Amino acid sequence: GQQLNQSPQSMFIQEGEDVSMNCTSSSIFNTWLWYKQDPGEGPVLLIALYKAGELTSNGRLTAQFGITRKDSFLNISASIPSDVGIYFCAGRISSGSARQLTFGSGTQLTVLP
Amino acid sequence: DAGVIQSPRHEVTEMGQEVTLRCKPISGHDYLFWYRQTMMRGLELLIYFNNNVPIDDSGMPEDRFSAKMPNASFSTLKIQPSEPRDSAVYFCASSLWRETHNEQFFGPGTRLTVL
Repeated sequence: GQQLNQSPQSMFIQEGEDVSMNCTSSSIFNTWLWYKQDPGEGPVLLIALYKAGELTSNGRLTAQFGITRKDSFLNISASIPSDVGIYFCAGRISSGSARQLTFGSGTQLTVLP
Repeated sequence: DAGVIQSPRHEVTEMGQEVTLRCKPISGHDYLFWYRQTMMRGLELLIYFNNNVPIDDSGMPEDRFSAKMPNASFSTLKIQPSEPRDSAVYFCASSLWRETHNEQFFGPGTRLTVL
């Protein structure tokens, strides 16, 4: 099946620092989504990207749809303690009837005070 | 909107018992997805429905797993008989398909423990 490589697997940063994580795929995607999951909860959608080269912001979060359509990154600026959690990328392949998403393995973010 | 609703939030059962997980998608959404999340395998798609019809069940691990969607506002995932290796968090998600906006919204999940 499709595979997404998400990196890094985990990050430990100081409060106030910026964070960057990314996902790459061997397949061309027409959709990239970024989710955050808190312990004991379901993934919550942060940003959705639908066009190659698209750069979208949501508060301190910025995500980009790679121009090759095989990658995406998520940046978090000026991190705060509530940014702690697992961040997942998800993509949908560029194939007519496909509706399912492929998920990355997640980036565990820890913000140190 | 209440979002995707799942019940129960936690289920503890003994091996061999039947388990039924329930999901109410967001009103108006035409796609419903069932996922399983484990530390080892991450988020795996089990099955998804479009307008209550199963479209792709290739992720269902075994015949012990079955899913139904009798109407647009309710779906079940059943495991019979359950085994310890089925222990995981099961998520339901729904979406409204539009070409340029088709995000999936997840429920809070059901944490299943099979003893």
